[in-house]
Amino acid sequence: DQQVKQNSPSLSVQEGRISILNCDYTNSMFDYFLWYKKYPAEGPTFLISISSIKDKNEDGRFTVFLNKSAKHLSLHIVPSQPGDSAVYFCAAPPGSGSARQLTFGSGTQLTVLP
Amino acid sequence: GAGVSQSPRYKVAKRGQDVALRCDPISGHVSLFWYQQALGQGPEFLTYFQNEAQLDKSGLPSDRFFAERPEGSVSTLKIQRTQQEDSAVYLCASSPRRGRLFFGSGTQLSVL
Repeated sequence: DQQVKQNSPSLSVQEGRISILNCDYTNSMFDYFLWYKKYPAEGPTFLISISSIKDKNEDGRFTVFLNKSAKHLSLHIVPSQPGDSAVYFCAAPPGSGSARQLTFGSGTQLTVLP
Repeated sequence: GAGVSQSPRYKVAKRGQDVALRCDPISGHVSLFWYQQALGQGPEFLTYFQNEAQLDKSGLPSDRFFAERPEGSVSTLKIQRTQQEDSAVYLCASSPRRGRLFFGSGTQLSVL
């Protein structure tokens, strides 16, 4: 039972345009979400997070939107740069008070074309 | 060290062989996690330590998998009698007690 789903395995975007990566979840107990970025041969690195009390969080070129009623979140990157080419994972920990073992989606490979 | 260090970087094992994977967490990080990432998938939780105590091992796929962190720092993930389905990248992550996870680069295990 996949509690966090990323249905697009890959996405290609032209440099300078917007990249939109999507993530759906099924567990209504999730109250915090994270996006991680992974380059080949490296471990995932934290990118941005959002708490369920917000519907938007912005950090520079990266914005995460959360739609709780739809159990959907999205990561917007604008403008996209070639260095953004990586695999992006959305993830969620279990409910508050638990250890932070994250449940990850299967990832979306973003390719930003110069 | 500056980050989470894992060794070896690559490991090739013959089916049935035992392997041991090492993780050096960031100094002072209380929590340590092991994840397994199969090709084309996201990381999947294996086990979690707080200091030397293994608080959750619910993700270990079989009793062939064993993890330890005897002094609350370095951790070892051991896989006995490896099978082909064990082939994956094994990621270690550490964090302060309530902080964000920092991942190592992983050990890529190939079982032939």
